[in-house]
Amino acid sequence: DTAVSQTPKYLVTQMGNDKSIKCEQNLGHDTMYWYKQDSKKFLKIMFSYNNKELIINETVPNRFSPKSPDKAHLNLHINSLELGDSAVYFCASSQGSGGARSIQYFGAGTRLSVL
Amino acid sequence: DQQVKQNSPSLSVQEGRISILNCDYTNSMFDYFLWYKKYPAEGPTFLISISSIKDKNEDGRFTVFLNKSAKHLSLHIVPSQPGDSAVYFCAATPNTGNQFYFGTGTSLTVIP
Repeated sequence: DTAVSQTPKYLVTQMGNDKSIKCEQNLGHDTMYWYKQDSKKFLKIMFSYNNKELIINETVPNRFSPKSPDKAHLNLHINSLELGDSAVYFCASSQGSGGARSIQYFGAGTRLSVL
Repeated sequence: DQQVKQNSPSLSVQEGRISILNCDYTNSMFDYFLWYKKYPAEGPTFLISISSIKDKNEDGRFTVFLNKSAKHLSLHIVPSQPGDSAVYFCAATPNTGNQFYFGTGTSLTVIP
């Protein structure tokens, strides 16, 4: 049973489209995250939610909107997709923050290709 | 500004020998450090961590060393096995907040 699952695994779409990536965790964690891994393989945090509340919002275009319907889910919606949005997006979760609680568990990633 | 740096993008080691992966950080507020392992087409997997109150943590073949004065940590894998071939990321988190900073990764190849 996958602990952190995200769908779809691959997403190919045209510029200007709107798309969503879903993430679910069955670990009972309070905190969830979205990361972007760019072409240089750098993992950068985008958003973090704790118990459905946004706690980290890095410098991300407002075309990206996270939605957390409950603490087990954190979906990422992207409007008006651009070529530069092509990347691998990872969802992660942790118990919380501080010490071992901050250990994050990752999904397998969603490879987004914008044509 | 890259607060966690892994200056070696790749490393090759013979099977059975020791692999040493290095990581440097700049923020003195970091108090918990982690290593993740990543295979292609998979998400990063947690490997081992260390708190800033310790200087060493060991788990089987994996040992992490922390030198706070030098703001440096390293991961030792001994003996190295072909299955250890992957990209290794170090990460750090401060004592408050949920911010998490990853290094750029080191690709380890263990040669049989």
